[in-house]
Amino acid sequence: KQEVTQIPAALSVPEGENLVLNCSFTDSAIYNLQWFRQDPGKGLTSLLLIQSSQREQTSGRLNASLDKSSGRSTLYIAASQPGDSATYLCAVGPVTDKLIFGTGTRLQVFP
Amino acid sequence: NAGVTQTPKFQVLKTGQSMTLQCAQDMNHNSMYWYRQDPGMGLRLIYYSASEGTTDKGEVPNGYNVSRLNKREFSLRLESAAPSQTSVYFCASSKQGIWVDGELFFGEGSRLTVL
Repeated sequence: KQEVTQIPAALSVPEGENLVLNCSFTDSAIYNLQWFRQDPGKGLTSLLLIQSSQREQTSGRLNASLDKSSGRSTLYIAASQPGDSATYLCAVGPVTDKLIFGTGTRLQVFP
Repeated sequence: NAGVTQTPKFQVLKTGQSMTLQCAQDMNHNSMYWYRQDPGMGLRLIYYSASEGTTDKGEVPNGYNVSRLNKREFSLRLESAAPSQTSVYFCASSKQGIWVDGELFFGEGSRLTVL
């Protein structure tokens, strides 16, 4: 059974730092992996989608990498800003028909 | 653009009461989903509809029913609410399906408390 783990559960950094969020999954037979952002009391917003044939995707200050063989994905945030404060979730999906979500990393960027 | 719209945003029920959560998307997406989010559990799929006219069970379907009313609308019904169904419910949609183009668009959630 696919399991998705995100460590750390919470992270607090000063503004301007470059940071890495981690996502691990147990079954390398995946179709794609997505990173989402969730603001308090809000829904999820898709940030980056990496297909299984890809190694990375970039959007602005965000870069997500995928290493299927090791069961890992990282989300790199460059020059963090207070507006980046949110919970970041990764979701692995699916060889069958449903995404498997991690429980998220709560990020706080303080001025 | 409205995207995915859920109603109601908040609801309090007593055990045994019934209610329906409504979801509508205006992106002409084929696939729609209902998830629940609980602390420490992540998001779990309740039901999904790959296309108009079809529905399938997800990971945690017990106690719920769904209706894909048309291409735009996908409702989730609790027939006899239980305290274990206290959660935040999210509706989502995707153009073709999570196993094709992958990108999911979420509503803002419906916060349900069952007393």
